[in-house]
Amino acid sequence: QQPVQSPQAVILREGEDAVINCSSSKALYSVHWYRQKHGEAPVFLMILLKGGEQKGHEKISASFNEKKQQSSLYLTASQLSYSGTYFCGTGGGFGNEKLTFGTGTRLTIIP
Amino acid sequence: DADVTQTPRNRITKTGKRIMLECSQTKGHDRMYWYRQDPGLGLRLIYYSFDVKDINKGEISDGYSVSRQAQAKFSLSLESAIPNQTALYFCATSESLAGGVDEQFFGPGTRLTVL
Repeated sequence: QQPVQSPQAVILREGEDAVINCSSSKALYSVHWYRQKHGEAPVFLMILLKGGEQKGHEKISASFNEKKQQSSLYLTASQLSYSGTYFCGTGGGFGNEKLTFGTGTRLTIIP
Repeated sequence: DADVTQTPRNRITKTGKRIMLECSQTKGHDRMYWYRQDPGLGLRLIYYSFDVKDINKGEISDGYSVSRQAQAKFSLSLESAIPNQTALYFCATSESLAGGVDEQFFGPGTRLTVL
């Protein structure tokens, strides 16, 4: 079952902050976040693991609440380059070494 | 050169035709994946492979088959294409991670149209 992302779309002015949420009906082992710009492939942002470990390449902040089976991605002081569609993917754990992606959150940053 | 390549990048075909989409990678990763992307539906997993002899169905494998010819090559076939298989197809690769899923690297995608 796909994780649920909210909001589905958001429009911000440069410099404003945004929070994108990802909720699962299943217990979470890990949450992945990817960004996809229009006409391009998804690009990895970060992984959050049960137990608190994180791996990421960009200066992006995220949280992982195991009890609530939720993750949130925090985009602060947004820049034009943050525009795109953000996907969360959930999965991991032995026997489930694959991701199920949400339907995405479209973020538009305007000058 | 790109680490994950897909061919063709665009393809228009007719209902009932057999078509193969190819994916190659130079990252040396063991794991490879095929996803389908439709507007509003996100990325859905078709098949995935952890090595040449390990191939698994994803959530939407009906109507598709795959072949892992080598560590670096993973092909997706539509035996008899139908219009609702019109979509953007992505191949992805990742390192092996015991009990987990590592960062995935996506190819540029193949846009397939079935008339």
